[in-house]
Amino acid sequence: GIQVEQSPPDLILQEGANSTLRCNFSDSVNNLQWFHQNPWGQLINLFYIPSGTKQNGRLSATTVATERYSLLYISSSQTTDSGVYFCAVLVFSGGYNKLIFGAGTRLAVHP
Amino acid sequence: DTAVSQTPKYLVTQMGNDKSIKCEQNLGHDTMYWYKQDSKKFLKIMFSYNNKELIINETVPNRFSPKSPDKAHLNLHINSLELGDSAVYFCASSPKKTGYGYTFGSGTRLTVV
Repeated sequence: GIQVEQSPPDLILQEGANSTLRCNFSDSVNNLQWFHQNPWGQLINLFYIPSGTKQNGRLSATTVATERYSLLYISSSQTTDSGVYFCAVLVFSGGYNKLIFGAGTRLAVHP
Repeated sequence: DTAVSQTPKYLVTQMGNDKSIKCEQNLGHDTMYWYKQDSKKFLKIMFSYNNKELIINETVPNRFSPKSPDKAHLNLHINSLELGDSAVYFCASSPKKTGYGYTFGSGTRLTVV
């Protein structure tokens, strides 16, 4: 099956720093999503990005589908950005879709 | 209004017991899912239902039995609980075809002692 690899596995930042998270996937996918799991465990959908670039405030994401990777940029990081960031690819199985998750990047932003 | 709601949020139970987790979505989505997040935070799909019909079963032990009384509800019943079942279980929903708008519930943390 398709493999989804995220890097780095762990990241520690000082507040105000910028960072880039990477997601590589092993096969063509129908779509790709980035999620943030906050310290309370809630999964929040950040971007739905099959290709191209999207921006939402201090976060932006770029997916290059032909090269099978996606990047999540966090600028001017804040302590509230802490948590786990997941990349998940959408694949179709038997006419229906399912998300295959990467192992996540654990981000800690210190004041 | 909560889009995807799960109950209970926390569940602590002894080995061998049977327990259920309930999930409801008010987004009008056709498809609902159960995902399991293990102690290393890895998320994996367990089941998927579309309009009350089971469409994905990812080799989950048959002690786990999902039930969908209607397309807005998907419950998870677990028989003879084992220590290894301890995890966070997430319910999610999405439109049938595109997957756009995948929305997760807040999770149920199950601890088997």
